[in-house]
Order: sequence, then structure tokens, then C-alpha cells
Amino acid sequence: ILNVEQSPQSLHVQEGDSTNFTCSFPSSNFYALHWYRWETAKSPEALFVMTLNGDEKKKGRISATLNTKEGYSYLYIKGSQPEDSATYLCAFWFDQGGKLIFGQGTELSVKP
Amino acid sequence: NAGVTQTPKFQVLKTGQSMTLQCAQDMNHEYMSWYRQDPGMGLRLIHYSVGAGITDQGEVPNGYNVSRSTTEDFPLRLLSAAPSQTSVYFCASSPGGRSTDTQYFGPGTRLTVL
Repeated sequence: ILNVEQSPQSLHVQEGDSTNFTCSFPSSNFYALHWYRWETAKSPEALFVMTLNGDEKKKGRISATLNTKEGYSYLYIKGSQPEDSATYLCAFWFDQGGKLIFGQGTELSVKP
Repeated sequence: NAGVTQTPKFQVLKTGQSMTLQCAQDMNHEYMSWYRQDPGMGLRLIHYSVGAGITDQGEVPNGYNVSRSTTEDFPLRLLSAAPSQTSVYFCASSPGGRSTDTQYFGPGTRLTVL
């Protein structure tokens, strides 16, 4: 079973709020965990690729952490802005065959 | 570079019709894949290819065929369209079949099956 779960499914916050969401994945045979940002009417774009337990990546106000032993990653957005409104997808690399399996996404809406 | 291109952008089919969704990339990427996007389900992998002449099944391969005769092209064929195949289809490519390779996505094809 290729199980990649994201929570919550959707999130509505006010401008300026900080927020975070979770990606859960199998804790065995870990190779890489990807985060993508997907704006409406556009294509998904890569945010981070994480490979090491304890990894922390940052891009502007967005950061992500990784715990491969317990099988989860957090994505944080500090001081959300309306332009952060998008669906955030995580994806787990299954090395059996070499495939990237996505979670169902967290849809973030930031109100001005 | 055009990146990853997909045609058509929109398509309406009747149940039972067949068609091919086209995907091409000009980045000399070895790895290509097809995903479908349905509400509340993120992206689900249909088929993927680690290089010309090699294809494999993803999570939801039934009802779809692929082939990879060149590095650049990775067409997706619907053999006999069903309403359950109404979806948005994304093609993606990456440099190689490495776990750390970023995927580059095409603009998507919106397919409706009546």
C-alpha cells in the first residue's frame, strides 16, 4: 500500500497568521520527500526536496522539517499572505520501481 | 526551452471513444510520468517511464496505455473512455529516475467523458 497522507485537507486563515500542515509517509525504506506548491489554474511547482532525518529547509516565509524515523514532515508558513493561497502537496519517493506518490494535498486560503 | 508541453488543453469524449493525450519535453529528461488530478485526491500516478523503451504502472493504470519510443515523447492512450476517466491529466518529467530529482509539470489536459 502506497500511503501518503496530508492533513488538514483545507485551511482558512487570516493574513498575517502563521500556519502549518502535516505530511505522513511510510517510515521504512526512506529515500526522499518532496513538497510542491500548486496555484489554481497553474501546474505544481517544487518547493523542497528533503532527504535526511532532521532536515530543515527554508524558502522565504516557508519552511519544512523532516522526521524519517516517525514518518512525517511539517510545512510552516510564517505570516501568511493572500498570495500564499494554493494547494500544498507532499510526495514520497517509493524506490520499488522508482515512483513519486503524492498525498491528497492541503488547500490553503488566506483572507486579506 | 518550452519545458513540458501537453496537447490538447481540453477534450470532450463520448463513452467508448479512444484518444491519445500528447506529452513532450525538450529538456532531455529521462524520467516521465502521467498523473490524474481529481477533487480531494491530489495527484495519482497512472504510468511512468525511466527512459525510452521502458514503462511501468503507477497507482491507477487500468484503462490507460503508454509507450516511450523517444526520450522526448510520452503519449497516454485511453482505450475506451469511461465517465470515471473525467479528470485533469498532468504529464511531468525529471532529469533521471533519482529520488531527489524535481518533477517539472506540464500545463494539464482537462478531459470530460460523457
